[in-house]
Amino acid sequence: ETGVTQTPRHLVMGMTNKKSLKCEQHLGHNAMYWYKQSAKKPLELMFVYSLEERVENNSVPSRFSPECPNSSHLFLHLHTLQPEDSALYLCASKPGQGNNSPLHFGNGTRLTVT
Amino acid sequence: QKEVEQNSGPLSVPEGAIASLNCTYSDRGSQSFFWYRQYSGKSPELIMFIYSNGDKEDGRFTAQLNKASQYVSLLIRDSQPSDSATYLCAVGGSAGNKLTFGGGTRVLVKP
Repeated sequence: ETGVTQTPRHLVMGMTNKKSLKCEQHLGHNAMYWYKQSAKKPLELMFVYSLEERVENNSVPSRFSPECPNSSHLFLHLHTLQPEDSALYLCASKPGQGNNSPLHFGNGTRLTVT
Repeated sequence: QKEVEQNSGPLSVPEGAIASLNCTYSDRGSQSFFWYRQYSGKSPELIMFIYSNGDKEDGRFTAQLNKASQYVSLLIRDSQPSDSATYLCAVGGSAGNKLTFGGGTRVLVKP
Protein backbone atom coordinates (compact mmCIF):
# COMPACT_ATOMS: atom_id res chain seq x y z
CA GLU A 1 0.00 0.00 0.00
CA THR A 2 1.72 3.17 -1.18
CA GLY A 3 -0.90 5.72 -0.08
CA VAL A 4 -1.42 6.64 -3.73
CA THR A 5 -3.97 4.53 -5.58
CA GLN A 6 -4.37 4.46 -9.35
CA THR A 7 -7.16 2.88 -11.36
CA PRO A 8 -7.41 1.06 -13.61
CA ARG A 9 -4.16 -0.93 -13.42
CA HIS A 10 -4.38 -1.88 -17.08
CA LEU A 11 -6.25 -0.23 -19.94
CA VAL A 12 -6.54 -1.11 -23.61
CA MET A 13 -8.23 1.44 -25.80
CA GLY A 14 -8.71 2.19 -29.44
CA MET A 15 -7.63 5.45 -31.01
CA THR A 16 -11.20 6.76 -31.14
CA ASN A 17 -12.09 5.91 -27.54
CA LYS A 18 -12.38 8.26 -24.59
CA LYS A 19 -11.21 7.01 -21.21
CA SER A 20 -10.02 8.43 -17.91
CA LEU A 21 -7.28 7.48 -15.49
CA LYS A 22 -7.91 8.09 -11.81
CA CYS A 23 -5.51 8.78 -8.96
CA GLU A 24 -6.32 9.17 -5.29
CA GLN A 25 -3.87 9.94 -2.50
CA HIS A 26 -4.46 9.37 1.21
CA LEU A 27 -1.32 11.10 2.45
CA GLY A 28 -2.64 14.61 2.99
CA HIS A 29 -0.32 15.95 0.30
CA ASN A 30 -0.96 19.21 -1.56
CA ALA A 31 0.86 18.53 -4.83
CA MET A 32 0.01 15.87 -7.39
CA TYR A 33 1.79 14.84 -10.58
CA TRP A 34 1.30 12.85 -13.75
CA TYR A 35 4.35 11.14 -15.25
CA LYS A 36 4.66 9.04 -18.40
CA GLN A 37 7.12 6.17 -18.60
CA SER A 38 7.78 4.72 -22.05
CA ALA A 39 10.08 1.83 -22.78
CA LYS A 40 13.77 2.80 -22.87
CA LYS A 41 13.01 6.41 -21.89
CA PRO A 42 13.31 8.38 -18.65
CA LEU A 43 10.22 9.28 -16.71
CA GLU A 44 8.62 12.30 -18.37
CA LEU A 45 6.77 14.88 -16.31
CA MET A 46 3.38 15.70 -17.82
CA PHE A 47 1.43 17.83 -15.35
CA VAL A 48 1.81 19.29 -11.87
CA TYR A 49 -1.04 20.41 -9.64
CA SER A 50 -0.62 22.31 -6.41
CA LEU A 51 -3.71 22.85 -4.25
CA GLU A 52 -5.91 21.92 -7.22
CA GLU A 53 -4.28 24.52 -9.46
CA ARG A 54 -2.26 23.43 -12.47
CA VAL A 55 1.22 24.86 -12.10
CA GLU A 56 2.96 23.05 -14.92
CA ASN A 57 1.99 21.62 -18.29
CA ASN A 58 5.11 20.12 -19.78
CA SER A 59 4.18 20.62 -23.47
CA VAL A 60 1.75 17.73 -23.41
CA PRO A 61 -0.56 17.25 -26.43
CA SER A 62 -4.16 18.32 -25.92
CA ARG A 63 -5.40 14.74 -26.31
CA PHE A 64 -4.34 14.44 -22.65
CA SER A 65 -6.52 16.53 -20.37
CA PRO A 66 -5.87 16.61 -16.60
CA GLU A 67 -8.40 17.43 -13.93
CA CYS A 68 -7.85 17.99 -10.23
CA PRO A 69 -11.18 18.49 -8.40
CA ASN A 70 -9.56 18.50 -4.94
CA SER A 71 -6.16 17.92 -3.39
CA SER A 72 -6.80 14.17 -3.00
CA HIS A 73 -7.93 13.33 -6.52
CA LEU A 74 -6.35 13.66 -9.93
CA PHE A 75 -7.67 12.49 -13.29
CA LEU A 76 -6.16 12.19 -16.73
CA HIS A 77 -8.78 12.25 -19.48
CA LEU A 78 -7.72 10.58 -22.72
CA HIS A 79 -9.18 10.98 -26.20
CA THR A 80 -8.08 10.20 -29.74
CA LEU A 81 -4.78 8.77 -28.55
CA GLN A 82 -2.05 7.42 -30.80
CA PRO A 83 -0.25 4.06 -30.53
CA GLU A 84 2.91 5.88 -29.39
CA ASP A 85 0.98 7.00 -26.31
CA SER A 86 1.13 3.43 -25.04
CA ALA A 87 3.11 3.60 -21.81
CA LEU A 88 2.98 3.33 -18.04
CA TYR A 89 1.25 6.37 -16.58
CA LEU A 90 2.29 7.17 -13.05
CA CYS A 91 0.60 9.43 -10.55
CA ALA A 92 2.62 10.82 -7.68
CA SER A 93 2.16 13.18 -4.79
CA LYS A 94 4.26 15.09 -2.31
CA PRO A 95 3.52 17.33 0.69
CA GLY A 96 3.98 20.62 -1.12
CA GLN A 97 4.87 21.74 -4.59
CA GLY A 98 7.81 23.89 -3.59
CA ASN A 99 9.57 21.81 -1.01
CA ASN A 100 12.30 19.22 -1.40
CA SER A 101 10.45 16.18 -0.12
CA PRO A 102 10.32 13.04 -2.24
CA LEU A 103 7.55 11.95 -4.56
CA HIS A 104 5.32 9.06 -3.59
CA PHE A 105 4.19 7.06 -6.60
CA GLY A 106 1.06 5.07 -7.26
CA ASN A 107 1.23 1.65 -8.89
CA GLY A 108 0.61 3.09 -12.33
CA THR A 109 -1.78 2.41 -15.19
CA ARG A 110 -0.39 0.36 -18.07
CA LEU A 111 -2.02 1.86 -21.16
CA THR A 112 -2.08 0.17 -24.54
CA VAL A 113 -3.48 2.08 -27.52
CA THR A 114 -4.50 -0.12 -30.43
CA GLN B 1 23.04 17.52 -22.81
CA LYS B 2 20.64 15.46 -20.73
CA GLU B 3 19.67 17.05 -17.43
CA VAL B 4 20.22 13.88 -15.41
CA GLU B 5 22.46 11.15 -16.76
CA GLN B 6 22.93 7.57 -15.70
CA ASN B 7 24.68 4.61 -17.27
CA SER B 8 21.89 2.34 -18.50
CA GLY B 9 23.80 -0.85 -17.66
CA PRO B 10 23.18 -3.62 -17.04
CA LEU B 11 25.52 -3.54 -14.07
CA SER B 12 26.22 -7.14 -13.19
CA VAL B 13 27.48 -7.85 -9.67
CA PRO B 14 28.00 -11.13 -7.81
CA GLU B 15 25.92 -11.76 -4.73
CA GLY B 16 27.57 -10.25 -1.66
CA ALA B 17 29.56 -7.67 -3.61
CA ILE B 18 29.15 -3.89 -3.66
CA ALA B 19 27.15 -2.32 -6.48
CA SER B 20 28.17 1.25 -7.31
CA LEU B 21 25.81 3.46 -9.32
CA ASN B 22 26.55 6.97 -10.53
CA CYS B 23 24.42 9.89 -11.62
CA THR B 24 25.42 13.31 -12.95
CA TYR B 25 23.20 16.37 -13.28
CA SER B 26 23.41 19.65 -15.13
CA ASP B 27 21.49 22.14 -12.94
CA ARG B 28 24.06 23.54 -10.52
CA GLY B 29 21.26 24.98 -8.39
CA SER B 30 19.72 21.58 -7.65
CA GLN B 31 18.76 21.15 -4.02
CA SER B 32 17.55 17.60 -3.52
CA PHE B 33 18.60 14.18 -4.75
CA PHE B 34 16.74 10.91 -4.66
CA TRP B 35 17.32 7.29 -5.53
CA TYR B 36 14.35 5.14 -6.50
CA ARG B 37 14.25 1.42 -7.17
CA GLN B 38 11.90 0.09 -9.82
CA TYR B 39 11.20 -3.57 -10.37
CA SER B 40 10.02 -4.61 -13.82
CA GLY B 41 6.37 -3.70 -14.33
CA LYS B 42 6.16 -1.90 -10.99
CA SER B 43 6.24 1.74 -9.92
CA PRO B 44 9.31 3.46 -8.50
CA GLU B 45 9.85 3.20 -4.75
CA LEU B 46 12.02 5.59 -2.77
CA ILE B 47 15.25 4.15 -1.38
CA MET B 48 17.15 7.21 -0.21
CA PHE B 49 17.32 10.96 -0.40
CA ILE B 50 20.20 13.30 0.27
CA TYR B 51 20.38 17.08 0.43
CA SER B 52 23.90 17.87 1.72
CA ASN B 53 27.37 17.08 0.47
CA GLY B 54 28.88 13.92 1.85
CA ASP B 55 27.63 10.45 2.63
CA LYS B 56 24.32 9.24 4.00
CA GLU B 57 23.89 5.64 5.07
CA ASP B 58 20.69 3.66 5.50
CA GLY B 59 21.14 -0.06 6.08
CA ARG B 60 22.96 -1.56 3.09
CA PHE B 61 22.57 1.62 1.05
CA THR B 62 24.86 4.66 1.02
CA ALA B 63 24.19 7.79 -0.99
CA GLN B 64 27.07 10.12 -1.77
CA LEU B 65 26.65 13.69 -2.97
CA ASN B 66 29.25 16.03 -4.44
CA LYS B 67 27.60 19.27 -5.53
CA ALA B 68 30.85 20.83 -6.77
CA SER B 69 31.28 17.98 -9.24
CA GLN B 70 27.52 17.63 -9.79
CA TYR B 71 27.24 13.95 -9.14
CA VAL B 72 25.42 11.70 -6.77
CA SER B 73 26.09 8.02 -6.29
CA LEU B 74 24.48 5.03 -4.63
CA LEU B 75 26.36 2.12 -3.11
CA ILE B 76 24.60 -1.15 -2.36
CA ARG B 77 26.61 -3.30 0.04
CA ASP B 78 26.21 -7.07 0.34
CA SER B 79 24.14 -7.15 -2.84
CA GLN B 80 21.31 -9.67 -2.92
CA PRO B 81 19.43 -11.15 -5.90
CA SER B 82 16.39 -9.20 -4.67
CA ASP B 83 18.33 -5.99 -5.39
CA SER B 84 18.09 -6.78 -9.11
CA ALA B 85 16.07 -3.86 -10.46
CA THR B 86 16.40 -0.55 -12.26
CA TYR B 87 17.66 2.29 -10.07
CA LEU B 88 16.46 5.78 -10.94
CA CYS B 89 18.27 8.93 -9.96
CA ALA B 90 16.03 11.97 -9.52
CA VAL B 91 17.14 15.55 -8.99
CA GLY B 92 15.03 18.36 -7.56
CA GLY B 93 15.52 21.71 -9.25
CA SER B 94 16.35 24.97 -7.58
CA ALA B 95 12.65 25.82 -7.29
CA GLY B 96 11.96 22.50 -5.61
CA ASN B 97 8.78 21.82 -7.52
CA LYS B 98 10.06 19.53 -10.24
CA LEU B 99 11.93 16.26 -10.12
CA THR B 100 13.91 15.32 -13.19
CA PHE B 101 14.70 11.65 -13.61
CA GLY B 102 17.61 9.92 -15.23
CA GLY B 103 17.07 6.99 -17.53
CA GLY B 104 17.93 4.48 -14.83
CA THR B 105 20.66 1.89 -14.31
CA ARG B 106 19.66 -1.75 -14.51
CA VAL B 107 21.37 -3.86 -11.86
CA LEU B 108 21.65 -7.64 -12.01
CA VAL B 109 22.83 -9.47 -8.91
CA LYS B 110 23.92 -13.01 -9.72
CA PRO B 111 23.84 -15.75 -7.08
